[in-house]
Amino acid sequence: QVQLQQSGAELVKPGSSVKISCKASGYTFTSYDMHWIKQQPGNGLEWIGWIYPGNGNTKYNQKFNGKATLTADKSSSTAYMQLSSLTSEDSAVYFCARRRITKGFDYWGQGVMVTVSS
Amino acid sequence: EIVLTQSPTTIAASPGEKVTITCRASSSVSYMYWYQQKPGASPKPWIYDTSKLASGVPNRFSGSGSGTSYSLTINTMETEDAATYYCQQWSSTPPTFGSGTKLEIK
Repeated sequence: QVQLQQSGAELVKPGSSVKISCKASGYTFTSYDMHWIKQQPGNGLEWIGWIYPGNGNTKYNQKFNGKATLTADKSSSTAYMQLSSLTSEDSAVYFCARRRITKGFDYWGQGVMVTVSS
Repeated sequence: EIVLTQSPTTIAASPGEKVTITCRASSSVSYMYWYQQKPGASPKPWIYDTSKLASGVPNRFSGSGSGTSYSLTINTMETEDAATYYCQQWSSTPPTFGSGTKLEIK
């Protein structure tokens, strides 16, 4: 069965960077876009961007240009998101999600809570 | 970007009651997607292509709409339906989500 297993919670200092992972299993990793979505406490969902692991192509929400960098390792079926120059506004839960064009985001990781605090 | 406005923000319903959640788009969209999220969990796909139920979703749920107005309806509310529901569009990039409707049991 399809599973997206994300890395554990992170406590990071302001101004630093963090890299979180999303390991896919149960399907052909290189055949589907992988998306990243932010959810701040009590807030809704915000799309960050996607990567197509088959060729490494990426597309970002303009709001996250320069903040998020998406990569993928085909050999381990793992997608990564690095967040840089962290501030308190980056404290949130970050989800990876697979997208099927006709079905939307059909599988989600369990989420990674990133807390930015000194 | 297309802004999705959900209403109501919060609603409480009794078991057996009919519930409708509305999602209005700032520009016309072709399809609407809905997700269900319970506390501490990731969102689950619930309705896709406006009216198709995701796998495992009870048929008391339905979706409808077109253009700038979409809705999710529960024919007869059950306790397990208490959750937050989000609408989402990808007729234009970036894809956007509504701010959510929290459905509680009365």
